[in-house]
Amino acid sequence: ILNVEQSPQSLHVQEGDSTNFTCSFPSSNFYALHWYRWETAKSPEALFVMTLNGDEKKKGRISATLNTKEGYSYLYIKGSQPEDSATYLCARGGAKIIFGKGTRLHILP
Amino acid sequence: SAVISQKPSRDICQRGTSLTIQCQVDSQVTMMFWYRQQPGQSLTLIATANQGSEATYESGFVIDKFPISRPNLTFSTLTVSNMSPEDSSIYLCSVEADSSYEQYFGPGTRLTVT
Repeated sequence: ILNVEQSPQSLHVQEGDSTNFTCSFPSSNFYALHWYRWETAKSPEALFVMTLNGDEKKKGRISATLNTKEGYSYLYIKGSQPEDSATYLCARGGAKIIFGKGTRLHILP
Repeated sequence: SAVISQKPSRDICQRGTSLTIQCQVDSQVTMMFWYRQQPGQSLTLIATANQGSEATYESGFVIDKFPISRPNLTFSTLTVSNMSPEDSSIYLCSVEADSSYEQYFGPGTRLTVT
């Protein structure tokens, strides 16, 4: 994998359901993995920075895991709420931060 | 954390004109970064702006097209010159956090070129 890939590109989830999505990245020369939440017309907000294989981070109903050996990270949202609707960006840190295209999450009432 | 503001928040411009985007940070920072996100694409770094020196541009971006100013440690501008519809994007500025690997972003400038 040469780039940072995110899947799915877009996701519709019923309010109250849990969901997760994936970020794949080059595993060689790993430095750090970032997750951001980007709501329309607002600044991208940093959710997590992870640096070690096996890292797990949690913030409220959102959590993330990291596997640097195989080059992937999962973001989980438990009990989705309307305010979770946003684009979630993953980025591989290093000499230059490389972003994925994002997963656009829509929470259905 | 840093609070970053950008002006304008959005604009619609005609082909061939230029637009200057301003980025203001509420604290002094060494490096400021300019990104763009074209529709359906990733956030891509345009250049890094250091105070007192010329900006460093990424592959595919040139100073004539995207001149950058960095007159002090809290302010920077990015100009999108001789615009074409392909320049329609969201442009964001960002700064690095002092003690972590994170970056803080401005709210972005949504540019549409007709």
